[in-house]
Amino acid sequence: GAGVSQTPSNKVTEKGKYVELRCDPISGHTALYWYRQSLGQGPEFLIYFQGTGAADDSGLPNDRFFAVRPEGSVSTLKIQRTERGDSAVYLCASSLRQGTAFFGQGTRLTVV
Amino acid sequence: LAKTTQPISMDSYEGQEVNITCSHNNIATNDYITWYQQFPSQGPRFIIQGYKTKVTNEVASLFIPADRKSSTLSLPRVSLSDTAVYYCLVGDNDFNKFYFGSGTKLNVKP
Repeated sequence: GAGVSQTPSNKVTEKGKYVELRCDPISGHTALYWYRQSLGQGPEFLIYFQGTGAADDSGLPNDRFFAVRPEGSVSTLKIQRTERGDSAVYLCASSLRQGTAFFGQGTRLTVV
Repeated sequence: LAKTTQPISMDSYEGQEVNITCSHNNIATNDYITWYQQFPSQGPRFIIQGYKTKVTNEVASLFIPADRKSSTLSLPRVSLSDTAVYYCLVGDNDFNKFYFGSGTKLNVKP
């Protein structure tokens, strides 16, 4: 596609439920990143993929968060047993060259 | 991981040149300096990247002194549509090492 696509754009879920957030990167981009952004704050790094493997998952807050990229393209961020504190905008980005990452519009997750 | 310090906010008027300075005292030899722009309800958008001296593109200029401990993003003749948050990032060849911080909220007034 022309840009990074994230679905859904908005997700409301009940506390304790499981959610999946999807990211379609720009075709051909080998690197993919997930960030989380709370209101008034800058994006916070979660995880980085190079190809199919997670090269750095040091930003994942706890073991309720998991992400996959099985074929080196689409990625899914999975959150188990959601908590109200997980409410934020989840941003996905992809890149071909260092530093010049292209971000999607984000998925706004609201846990009620 | 080099952290950055930017002003929290800046005000400007249409047509003026805006300079946003970022401090990165602990920048490493392999680190690049990258600036992103973010509008409400959108993901950050790459503006410009540099390593040293000056870089210019169709959107902005980036000035980096010899010691590389700071950098200045220059936006020529801003318009209302330049109202956004601007982030200065410093990181090595792996983009995942970049730290966004809170950014500078630029408010352009008519």
